[in-house]
Amino acid sequence: DAGVIQSPRHEVTEMGQEVTLRCKPISGHNSLFWYRQTMMRGLELLIYFNNNVPIDDSGMPEDRFSAKMPNASFSTLKIQPSEPRDSAVYFCASSLAQGGNTEAFFGQGTRLTVV
Amino acid sequence: SQQGEEDPQALSIQEGENATMNCSYKTSINNLQWYRQNSGRGLVHLILIRSNEREKHSGRLRVTLDTSKKSSSLLITASRAADTASYFCVLSGNTPLVFGKGTRLSVIA
Repeated sequence: DAGVIQSPRHEVTEMGQEVTLRCKPISGHNSLFWYRQTMMRGLELLIYFNNNVPIDDSGMPEDRFSAKMPNASFSTLKIQPSEPRDSAVYFCASSLAQGGNTEAFFGQGTRLTVV
Repeated sequence: SQQGEEDPQALSIQEGENATMNCSYKTSINNLQWYRQNSGRGLVHLILIRSNEREKHSGRLRVTLDTSKKSSSLLITASRAADTASYFCVLSGNTPLVFGKGTRLSVIA
């Protein structure tokens, strides 16, 4: 397996534009996580899915953020409209079991810059 | 939610020395995991230790767990420059993985 695949690797966009980040988890994994990492706040959990169903989205900062998982092999994180403070590295991770009972595999991240 | 706290925040050692990082937590756990993050990269899982285990080894890594003290330690023996990274402990169970600030390890060649 190629591991967790995220796209794009880098994204530069203007304030107010819509941004969509994509993630393909490892085949057979049941849980998927979206994280955001900044120097100031560290690695924050935004939302996690189990069997394609959102279980906990309490980390989603605002209504401008939304995440979907239409099937077991694809998830998106959308920011609309984007703001400069959204600039961060966004990671997607997947794991075999629910929650954190097994190891999580991380993608390489998407570095988002909003200017 | 459950979150471990790593100590020290930063550690600088010479290549060949051993590096020890500690993790403390406050809640009961099912297991505890250690991850590594090289600068600008995704996190990589190192070791998972279950609550009924006391010690676990993987290559140059040794992890201990003391549930009575609610603490864990990660020992890297014979460190290399490539070990330079941030290291995170994560409590895991039926809740998703929540990461702390980590320990930033610098191994100087």
